[in-house]
Amino acid sequence: NAGVTQTPKFRILKIGQSMTLQCTQDMNHNYMYWYRQDPGMGLKLIYYSVGAGITDKGEVPNGYNVSRSTTEDFPLRLELAAPSQTSVYFCASSYDGQGDGYTFGSGTRLTVV
Amino acid sequence: GESVGLHLPTLSVQEGDNSIINCAYSNSASDYFIWYKQESGKGPQFIIDIRSNMDKRQGQRVTVLLNKTVKHLSLQIAATQPGDSAVYFCAENAKNSGYSTLTFGKGTMLLVSP
Repeated sequence: NAGVTQTPKFRILKIGQSMTLQCTQDMNHNYMYWYRQDPGMGLKLIYYSVGAGITDKGEVPNGYNVSRSTTEDFPLRLELAAPSQTSVYFCASSYDGQGDGYTFGSGTRLTVV
Repeated sequence: GESVGLHLPTLSVQEGDNSIINCAYSNSASDYFIWYKQESGKGPQFIIDIRSNMDKRQGQRVTVLLNKTVKHLSLQIAATQPGDSAVYFCAENAKNSGYSTLTFGKGTMLLVSP
């Protein structure tokens, strides 16, 4: 049982480049989330999804896009990378949307130079 | 907007001591709180939770206290061990467009010396 898998683990992007952060879960969870964590800070919600075909903005969605074509996958897209997007990105999933049931991935460390 | 925050950014204790990590919240409508532990290079892991109809909840070596009057919760770790060294976050389960999402505080780093 892999849980929540994120790829890549590390990435360096140049300003203006684009990339997709991959997230997949094998627990058949309906709820999935993307958070970013800046140094010395808590996690901030970027986007979330309550089921395939349904996505919604979180606290800091600007500069990002998501899609949820399947229950398992929830990719996060950066179209025009900016230095302000340098952060660690965490994907999480949940069966019922309750905080005790969140399973987090191990994160993707992104640097934009 | 309303947010969840922490009082102490770093807490250093000796092995065997009891640790207390504090958290203040400002959303009086919050009814569910969670403590997470984040080890270096890993995602947060659930420790314990508490609902607003409770004042105290105990787990294995951990206790969460909730004071709704002053909007404060704390995490107590008994007999702290080096393996407890990590960053601890409180989180609030808040309604967002009808669905619940987590709002995290800034975190407290716990350093346990042998």
